[in-house]
Amino acid sequence: QKEVEQDPGPLSVPEGAIVSLNCTYSNSAFQYFMWYRQYSRKGPELLMYTYSSGNKEDGRFTAQVDKSSKYISLFIRDSQPSDSATYLCAMSLTFPSNTGKLIFGQGTTLQVKP
Amino acid sequence: EAGVAQSPRYKIIEKRQSVAFWCNPISGHATLYWYQQILGQGPKLLIQFQNNGVVDDSQLPKDRFSAERLKGVDSTLKIQPAKLEDSAVYLCASSLERSSSGNTIYFGEGSWLTVV
Repeated sequence: QKEVEQDPGPLSVPEGAIVSLNCTYSNSAFQYFMWYRQYSRKGPELLMYTYSSGNKEDGRFTAQVDKSSKYISLFIRDSQPSDSATYLCAMSLTFPSNTGKLIFGQGTTLQVKP
Repeated sequence: EAGVAQSPRYKIIEKRQSVAFWCNPISGHATLYWYQQILGQGPKLLIQFQNNGVVDDSQLPKDRFSAERLKGVDSTLKIQPAKLEDSAVYLCASSLERSSSGNTIYFGEGSWLTVV
């Protein structure tokens, strides 16, 4: 069993739709939860970051963490064609940029059609 | 602010040959990472440096992969001899030792390796 599971998709939605992306994980010790966006032939870029459980909102993006269910979600409102990319969830035990190792899901490919 | 620079962007080699990738992190970033991303999968950490020292290389196949970070700045990742399963994107990333901006790790655009 992988530590982090993510449906690879692809997911295709019409412009303006609400998109829901999800990951499940097995290690209950994960404390830091992140969503990265990766455009074709580019490196991942950080979208959202959450510590422990709860919700976090940034513009059209909302990240949710449910540690009791070991389940995290990313919601995209009013989706745009420019949101078409691969979305990677990632998590770590400790502060990632110090000694914590990021464990990534395999990514979900999203296509938003005009 | 310049991003993480990597070269070459694309490389095709035959199996058993060697290849080296170079990374220049964002200025002032003490932590440098090398990730391997196989097509259709998420990135996997190969090695993490804190300044000159190795913090984590537990998933680096040390019989064929090596990495160094001289003077705590640039880094080189080498593969010798290459196998077909090494075909992947090699992502370099960097971060401040302690970030107040929410654990931001900045990735380069990657070096695409095809082993034939």
